[in-house]
Amino acid sequence: GEDVEQSLFLSVREGDSSVINCTYTDSSSTYLYWYKQEPGAGLQLLTYIFSNMDMKQDQRLTVLLNKKDKHLSLRIADTQTGDSAIYFCAEGASGTYKYIFGTGTRLKVLA
Amino acid sequence: DSGVTQTPKHLITATGQRVTLRCSPRSGDLSVYWYQQSLDQGLQFLIQYYNGEERAKGNILERFSAQQFPDLHSELNLSSLELGDSALYFCASSVGGLGVGEQFFGPGTRLTVL
Repeated sequence: GEDVEQSLFLSVREGDSSVINCTYTDSSSTYLYWYKQEPGAGLQLLTYIFSNMDMKQDQRLTVLLNKKDKHLSLRIADTQTGDSAIYFCAEGASGTYKYIFGTGTRLKVLA
Repeated sequence: DSGVTQTPKHLITATGQRVTLRCSPRSGDLSVYWYQQSLDQGLQFLIQYYNGEERAKGNILERFSAQQFPDLHSELNLSSLELGDSALYFCASSVGGLGVGEQFFGPGTRLTVL
């Protein structure tokens, strides 16, 4: 099937690390993305990783990719209340028109 | 500001009616995507246009249709509206359309069907 799966909710305390997980569908996907949606707004790209990489770090964000298990994760270090949002993973395959979003994980950061 | 504009911001209508949602992509972007976001179904891909042509179709109902015009703006037409069509409708655009690169999202149109 073409479902990109994520857990629906995650709650963490301010200052802790958050880990948001995603299982994607197609091992031929070339690019994997993380988007953030703040309340009342559209989605914004946070970061992305090429499928030939295992890890990418971008300031407080770390993306880990396990191609064998088709598992993607986003770690947010030192989570802040401003990180409260819905996080979507998405997969795309170069040379096709495929671009599939996950179900979204609602992150709540407790002060 | 992503550079993608959507109008109207809010729309309230009755069951059985027809509405048109409009999207202007970022300057230079050739692809436009339409998504529906409802509370119980997350973000659902509806349809994609690239330079005026339909390129990919997702879970779009037959009551819904879209087009992309020569100036690259796009319209999503929703007809015979039902209560369950109440949702946020997002338009996104990208430079290319081949599964790569960032999609830039508009602020969305909130449709309420009474």
